[in-house]
Amino acid sequence: ETGVTQSPTHLIKTRGQQVTLRCSSQSGHNTVSWYQQALGQGPQFIFQYYREEENGRGNFPPRFSGLQFPNYSSELNVNALELDDSALYLCASSGGTNEKLFFGSGTQLSVL
Amino acid sequence: DQQVKQNSPSLSVQEGRISILNCDYTNSMFDYFLWYKKYPAEGPTFLISISSIKDKNEDGRFTVFLNKSAKHLSLHIVPSQPGDSAVYFCAASVSGGYQKVTFGTGTKLQVIP
Repeated sequence: ETGVTQSPTHLIKTRGQQVTLRCSSQSGHNTVSWYQQALGQGPQFIFQYYREEENGRGNFPPRFSGLQFPNYSSELNVNALELDDSALYLCASSGGTNEKLFFGSGTQLSVL
Repeated sequence: DQQVKQNSPSLSVQEGRISILNCDYTNSMFDYFLWYKKYPAEGPTFLISISSIKDKNEDGRFTVFLNKSAKHLSLHIVPSQPGDSAVYFCAASVSGGYQKVTFGTGTKLQVIP
């Protein structure tokens, strides 16, 4: 059974740039959620995708967007990067919209 | 508005003793509670959960207690082992619809050999 994998593991961008983070969900899982974990904080819910549709969103601006593909892998896109976007971005997959989450190791994004 | 609060940023316990991690929540709609453990450079790993219809759930060395009237839950680890040293996140969600899990800020547990 393959776990949740994220790429890249680390990324450095400058303010105003755009970034795409990728996630492969655990086999058999059709739901993907993205979380942002700032330093010293707990993970904050960004959004959830179920069968290629966004079905829930946290308190994040529209410049945070995502996609889920037919194989249930997912992308998180962030436009017009700001310094406060520097954080660990975690992807989690689950077997359904109310099943427990399995997290990847995250992508550490630094915005300079 | 921090709906899930972990007021102790860190905790040190001797090996073999009990570790008690506490968590408070403010949203009365939460009906499912979870604890996740996180090692450095890894994603959070599910540890144990409890539904609001229960007040206790046990899994080996780990027990979670839920006090709905006080909006408080705790995680007990007995006996504590050095490998338990990690950051522990309390989390909560509302059943139905999409799954938005709200996490606390975490408690760093250090188990001293």
